[in-house]
Amino acid sequence: DADVTQTPRNRITKTGKRIMLECSQTKGHDRMYWYRQDPGLGLRLIYYSFDVKDINKGEISDGYSVSRQAQAKFSLSLESAIPNQTALYFCATSVGGAGNEQFFGPGTRLTVL
Amino acid sequence: AQSVTQLGSHVSVSEGALVLLRCNYSSSVPPYLFWYVQYPNQGLQLLLKYTSAATLVKGINGFEAEFKKSETSFHLTKPSAHMSDAAEYFCAVSASSASKIIFGSGTRLSIRP
Repeated sequence: DADVTQTPRNRITKTGKRIMLECSQTKGHDRMYWYRQDPGLGLRLIYYSFDVKDINKGEISDGYSVSRQAQAKFSLSLESAIPNQTALYFCATSVGGAGNEQFFGPGTRLTVL
Repeated sequence: AQSVTQLGSHVSVSEGALVLLRCNYSSSVPPYLFWYVQYPNQGLQLLLKYTSAATLVKGINGFEAEFKKSETSFHLTKPSAHMSDAAEYFCAVSASSASKIIFGSGTRLSIRP
């Protein structure tokens, strides 16, 4: 079984709809991250959480919100989806401390029409 | 603040040829440096990372990278390309005092038969 799972894997929705992307991990890591990937832009950090009570905005948090329901679960919500939020979204986890690698889920491809 | 620049959004080499993917970084403190690979329809996985133990870092699948402080570079190489190396490659940097990783824009590697 995968250590970091994301649901759904693909989603097509319409402008104005509320969308939730879910991430679960079995690695026992404290830290979890949400990124979006756009062609030519690499990965950009949306939100990150160092533990259940510590949630921080990344570089592109506008239009997104998150919830850390448990150590193993970190959800990303789009309250009112817009077409420029069409992207590939990745969840990642890591242990605490500098220099530690992040482990990525398989991604969710979101299309907003 | 940290940043990375990947030179060349697309690199194409012949099977058996040398692979060289370029990465330059900027960091005001000693950096941790990473190379990740993304195969089609998958998340990112770590190829190798530099944590100041040795300037030449060996990774998985025959890849290696050399940290050159004077050139602020961390180029990725492989002596002989294989068809299975076709993927997107991301260079990334993290400051010694932080857990966040800053990703470059990626380089897509194509292998010609």
